[in-house]
Amino acid sequence: DSGVTQTPKHLITATGQRVTLRCSPRSGDLSVYWYQQSLDQGLQFLIQYYNGEERAKGNILERFSAQQFPDLHSELNLSSLELGDSALYFCASSVDSGGDYEQYFGPGTRLTVT
Amino acid sequence: GENVEQHPSTLSVQEGDSAVIKCTYSDSASNYFPWYKQELGKGPQLIIDIRSNVGEKKDQRIAVTLNKTAKHFSLHITETQPEDSAVYFCAAFMEYGNKLVFGAGTILRVKS
Repeated sequence: DSGVTQTPKHLITATGQRVTLRCSPRSGDLSVYWYQQSLDQGLQFLIQYYNGEERAKGNILERFSAQQFPDLHSELNLSSLELGDSALYFCASSVDSGGDYEQYFGPGTRLTVT
Repeated sequence: GENVEQHPSTLSVQEGDSAVIKCTYSDSASNYFPWYKQELGKGPQLIIDIRSNVGEKKDQRIAVTLNKTAKHFSLHITETQPEDSAVYFCAAFMEYGNKLVFGAGTILRVKS
């Protein structure tokens, strides 16, 4: 158990809908990272927040957004969902802002768009 | 550009044998290289990492080597056990973008 929690574990929704994924980092960690894992694209970095501020951005679509709250939990919002958004979404946390610190992953949320 | 290539894509070994997975990266400024193990239905688990000021690092049956000149690094698992069966991912930290870029993964099967 990494200490990173994610909810929900599974999510099934229809095209065009909007969903919110939630992540709580390990105790003491200030950075949260979001990743998408799909069979064709592998594990792709989406976005990082550090202590409430956006720190780095990867291959995140404009339909997706994230935020980190004062209690350091983070939410990833996915809107206007398409079939191709079906994937595993992981969050990871680390103690500091640099991406070269150890990142610990949560168990993931499996999103299925029908 | 940013790219991490990982080989092989699948690897089958007999229990007790060694397994080696290799990765190459493109960004010569990369200085941090973690390895993750992902079991079915779980998130990636950090198993070992290495920084560019070190050539080799060991942790029990797992070791990682880094050749900065050639821009490649490898994971070595000795005395493999059935519970080592999983997907293994290498990654390299890219300073431009402040992010980890992952390899495509290696499915390791340890046959007993």
